Amino acid sequence: DTAVSQTPKYLVTQMGNDKSIKCEQNLGHDTMYWYKQDSKKFLKIMFSYNNKELIINETVPNRFSPKSPDKAHLNLHINSLELGDSAVYFCASFKGGYGYTFGSGTRLTVV
Amino acid sequence: AQSVTQPDIHITVSEGASLELRCNYSYGATPYLFWYVQSPGQGLQLLLKYFSGDTLVQGIKGFEAEFKRSQSSFNLRKPSVHWSDAAEYFCAVGSFSGNTPLVFGKGTRLSVIA
Repeated sequence: DTAVSQTPKYLVTQMGNDKSIKCEQNLGHDTMYWYKQDSKKFLKIMFSYNNKELIINETVPNRFSPKSPDKAHLNLHINSLELGDSAVYFCASFKGGYGYTFGSGTRLTVV
Repeated sequence: AQSVTQPDIHITVSEGASLELRCNYSYGATPYLFWYVQSPGQGLQLLLKYFSGDTLVQGIKGFEAEFKRSQSSFNLRKPSVHWSDAAEYFCAVGSFSGNTPLVFGKGTRLSVIA
């Protein structure tokens, strides 16, 4: 069973569209994150949730809205997609003593 | 604020040669340190991690890293590089409690030549 799963793996969409990326972890971890990896491979934290509550919101445009319906899920909704949103988005989870576990990433291409 | 510096953007080594990738961190408490590898088009694979204990940590694929508190460093080494090691390598620092997210360095791209 995949520990942290993201869907879809690839997403190609037009500018101006709204899209969502889903993330689920079956590890029982309390904390989940969204990271963005840009074209230069730099990985930057976007959001952090602990027990469904938002605890970190880095400087991310309001068009990005995370939603955590329960501890095992952290979805990312993006409104009015722009070319600059093209990137690989990684979901991750954390539990003390176990460390951080990453999903395989979602490659978003905005055309 | 925590930060990670990987001073080498790109390194090229010959197959069979030894490798050392540098990583320096800045963190206000006891750091939880990681090395990840990313092959083209792939996700992040954990090579090794360190929080406490022996400062020389063994990882997968024959990699090891040494934690040096006095130098705020966590360098990754491999005695003999294989062509399949060509990839992007990321050093990262986080907290053992998870109350801060993992912060990554900008990565070092490793090329391996015959």
